[in-house]
Amino acid sequence: DTAVSQTPKYLVTQMGNDKSIKCEQNLGHDTMYWYKQDSKKFLKIMFSYNNKELIINETVPNRFSPKSPDKAHLNLHINSLELGDSAVYFCASSPQDRFAWGAFFGQGTRLTVV
Amino acid sequence: RKEVEQDPGPFNVPEGATVAFNCTYSNSASQSFFWYRQDCRKEPKLLMSVYSSGNEDGRFTAQLNRASQYISLLIRDSKLSDSATYLCVVAWGQNFVFGPGTRLSVLP
Repeated sequence: DTAVSQTPKYLVTQMGNDKSIKCEQNLGHDTMYWYKQDSKKFLKIMFSYNNKELIINETVPNRFSPKSPDKAHLNLHINSLELGDSAVYFCASSPQDRFAWGAFFGQGTRLTVV
Repeated sequence: RKEVEQDPGPFNVPEGATVAFNCTYSNSASQSFFWYRQDCRKEPKLLMSVYSSGNEDGRFTAQLNRASQYISLLIRDSKLSDSATYLCVVAWGQNFVFGPGTRLSVLP
């Protein structure tokens, strides 16, 4: 009965490969996010989707492409992986009244590019 | 200036101590405020929302000063299990903006 679930939890891959991370939430939330936490532990937003529509697209290389097939899913596809992409990627979701309830996070995907 | 700034830490305190964390934010249009807790190699989890009038949840007290754009978190009678990184979070528009976090270690 996990609220926000991401797969895989760990991902080790070589430079130049293409990989995807999947995220699903069963909370009925309208908004989903991808955050990146780098080696300095700083959490930075990458994308935000509201009801399958892209709302926020921060300065992220276009090798990163989010896909939202429905409002319960927000997947992240990464092309041509680089060493600097190594980080923990967190998916999150928030209800319509997000200012009251905040955002709920998945357990994270630890990506290591070698 | 960063959007959300916090005490750099780390804070190392003995069990039973009272510890306070400070946070400032730059966007005066910010709409809501939170403290999150992140344990090592885990996801951030909501600790508490922060209301204008200040609010308390057991040993935790949060305060907000909109005029100074300042948020605080006070932990009383700290426990070993309070050891974690505490993240100040400010929401505006569609976004939750996280501070860099302050690490707390409670020592026996």
